[in-house]
Amino acid sequence: QSVLTQPPSVSGAPGQRVTISCTGSSSNLGANYFVHWYQQLPGTAPKLLIYDNNKRPSGVPDRFSGSKSGTSASLAISGLQADDEADYYCQSYDSSLRASRVFGGGTKLTVL
Amino acid sequence: VQLQESGPGLVKPSETLSLTCDVSGYSISNGSYWGWIRQPPGKGLEWIGSIYHTGQNYYNPSLRSRVSMSVDTSKNQFSLNLRSATAADTAVYYCAKEGRFYSLDFWGQGTLVTVSS
Repeated sequence: QSVLTQPPSVSGAPGQRVTISCTGSSSNLGANYFVHWYQQLPGTAPKLLIYDNNKRPSGVPDRFSGSKSGTSASLAISGLQADDEADYYCQSYDSSLRASRVFGGGTKLTVL
Repeated sequence: VQLQESGPGLVKPSETLSLTCDVSGYSISNGSYWGWIRQPPGKGLEWIGSIYHTGQNYYNPSLRSRVSMSVDTSKNQFSLNLRSATAADTAVYYCAKEGRFYSLDFWGQGTLVTVSS
C-alpha cells in the first residue's frame, strides 16, 4: 500500500490527452509539500518529468504538465505519442514518516 | 551529472547487500542529498534512504533497522548496506541525486541484486 495513490493504468489514442491522478493526505500533499513526477520507459531508469508541482526540466516537452490542489495532484499529457507509453510515478515528502520521501504505486500508460 | 551503481549481483540470504554509487560531473560535497531507491521485479519504486555529505541521513521507517548509508567525499561516492537480506530484497537498486524539495533529478542506470542461495 503506497502512501500516494495512483490508478494502476490509463490509456489513450495517439493525439489525445490523458491525466494521471495522485492522491495523498494531510501529511504530504495536503501539507503543501511539492509533488514530482517521473517517467520510466521499459527497461530504463526513471527520469524526472515534472518537479515542484508544475515545472519541467530542460528538454521535457510542454505536452507534459502538472498541477496540484489540496491533497491531490495530476499529470496531464496532451498530444499522446506512441513513445509516451511508460510507467509514471508521483513522489513527495511525508512529515509523519520522519523525513520520508514517498512514491505513488505507479501508473502504466498504454497508447492505443 | 552521472551516477553509476556497483556491487555484487547475487547475495545470499541473511548476508549484507552492499552497493556503491560513483558520482561524476558534480561534487558530493556541493550540498545535495543523495538517495537510494529500489524496484522489485514488476513492481513500483521504493525509497530506501538519503544521505547528506556530512553524513546526516534519513531512512525509510520500514527498512531503518537494517539499513546504513555512508559517504566518501574523497572518492565522490556514497554507499548502501542492507543487513540480513532476504528474497524480498531482490530488486533493481538505483542511486540518485536529490534536487529541489526532495525531487530526484539525476539517476543511475540501476543494478539488479538477487538474494538467493
